[in-house]
Amino acid sequence: DIVMTQSPDSLAVSLGQRATINCKSSQSVLYSSTNKNYLAWYQQKPGQPPELIIYWASTRESGVPDRFSGSGSGTDFTLTISSLQAEDVAVYFCQQYYTTPLSFGQGTKLEIK
Amino acid sequence: QVQLVESGGGVVQPGKSLRLSCAASGFTFSNYGMHWVRQAPGKGLEWVACLWYEGSSTYYADSVKGRFTISRDNSKNTLYLQINRLTVEDSAVYYCSRAPGYYCYGSDVWGQGTTVTVSS
Repeated sequence: DIVMTQSPDSLAVSLGQRATINCKSSQSVLYSSTNKNYLAWYQQKPGQPPELIIYWASTRESGVPDRFSGSGSGTDFTLTISSLQAEDVAVYFCQQYYTTPLSFGQGTKLEIK
Repeated sequence: QVQLVESGGGVVQPGKSLRLSCAASGFTFSNYGMHWVRQAPGKGLEWVACLWYEGSSTYYADSVKGRFTISRDNSKNTLYLQINRLTVEDSAVYYCSRAPGYYCYGSDVWGQGTTVTVSS
C-alpha cells in the first residue's frame, strides 16, 4: 500500500505571503504509459466536505483561483498558495489515486499568522 | 446542478448493520466511478471503497474489507454502502464522492456527508 506523508502538520502564514505544503509518497505515483502523476490536492474548510483543487499533481480544478498551484513528480509534491487570503484557512490533504487502496496524507492545517 | 446527497446514518449499537445511500443528480450517474470516504471526529480523511461506473469492479480499504460492501443502482442514480458488524472505530462522517471518469481516480464532487455513531 502507498503511504502519503505531508509536512508540516500545521502552518501559520501572514496574509499575502506564500504558503507551501509538501506531500511525499512511499512509492512513485507517476504512471509511465501516461506520463501523469496520479496525485490530487483537496481543501477542507471547517464543517464542510473536502473540495478538489488540484489533480494530476498540477492541473487546477475549474473555478480554483490561480494563486493555487501544484508541482512535483514521482514521490515528492508541493501545493503552493502564492498569496494567502483569509478564505484559504483550511486543512489541505493530498491523495494518491495511482493504485488501490487509494490513500490520503494526514492533512496540513493552514492558519493565518 | 451536480449534487450528491447521503443518507442512512445514525446511532447504532456495536455489532449491528447499516446501509448508507447516496443519491446523485445533475449528471449521468452511470458514466462515473464512485467512492465512499470517511472522516472520524477530529481526524483526517480515510478512503473506504470505490467501484467502477458499471459496478463490475469494486475496491476496499484493508480496514473494511469483508465487512463493507459498495454497490450501485444506475437505474436509480444511487450509490450504497452496506456496513456489517459495526465497531466504535467505524464512527465517522461518511462522504460519497464522484470519480472524474469511469474508474477509481480521485474525487471531483463530494456530498455533505452522513454521520454514523457506533455506541452502546
